[in-house]
Amino acid sequence: EPEVTQTPSHQVTQMGQEVILRCVPISNHLYFYWYRQILGQKVEFLVSFYNNEISEKSEIFDDQFSVERPDGSNFTLKIRSTKLEDSAMYFCASSEQGAGNYGYTFGSGTRLTVV
Amino acid sequence: AQSVSQHNHHVILSEAASLELGCNYSYGGTVNLFWYVQYPGQHLQLLLKYFSGDPLVKGIKGFEAEFIKSKFSFNLRKPSVQWSDTAEYFCAVKGGSQGNLIFGKGTKLSVKP
Repeated sequence: EPEVTQTPSHQVTQMGQEVILRCVPISNHLYFYWYRQILGQKVEFLVSFYNNEISEKSEIFDDQFSVERPDGSNFTLKIRSTKLEDSAMYFCASSEQGAGNYGYTFGSGTRLTVV
Repeated sequence: AQSVSQHNHHVILSEAASLELGCNYSYGGTVNLFWYVQYPGQHLQLLLKYFSGDPLVKGIKGFEAEFIKSKFSFNLRKPSVQWSDTAEYFCAVKGGSQGNLIFGKGTKLSVKP
């Protein structure tokens, strides 16, 4: 069964540093997403991406965040200057269609710890 | 704005007990409804989904959910839980033209052997 692959599985970074979280979506999927889950809290939508541009973003996704699909396979989330409150599990997801009758396939997540 | 409420934060059951996890959503239009499960240390996995048609949806591992439009509910059920069902369960809604899922806070299920 096709999978969404995320690397690394766990990243520890110092406050103020830049981090890049990587995702390889399922190859024939067209819509890509990032979600995060702060420990003990609900899964929150960050951003959706389609046709090489952001289609929607939440208020969490401020100027410190950016996404990119640099080479047609990877889908990255960059946090420019990490804060303690960015510590969370970050999930990448992809779907064949954004608004159609499809569920999302999620990756295993990257646990980001900001110290 | 859309929202999803899951009523139970933590449910503890013995094996073979029946399970029902509540989920209510707020959205006035057509919705797609999902239940995801997250086993300890693993990623979110789709249990079942509802788009249209029969409001009683059957998913993997013996789970089912019933969409009751008048109650804005999509409760998850399983007649007899197993220890391996210990996980966190998330209800999610996708409504209107938006492409993103809105998740509930999740319900942690602990099944005692």
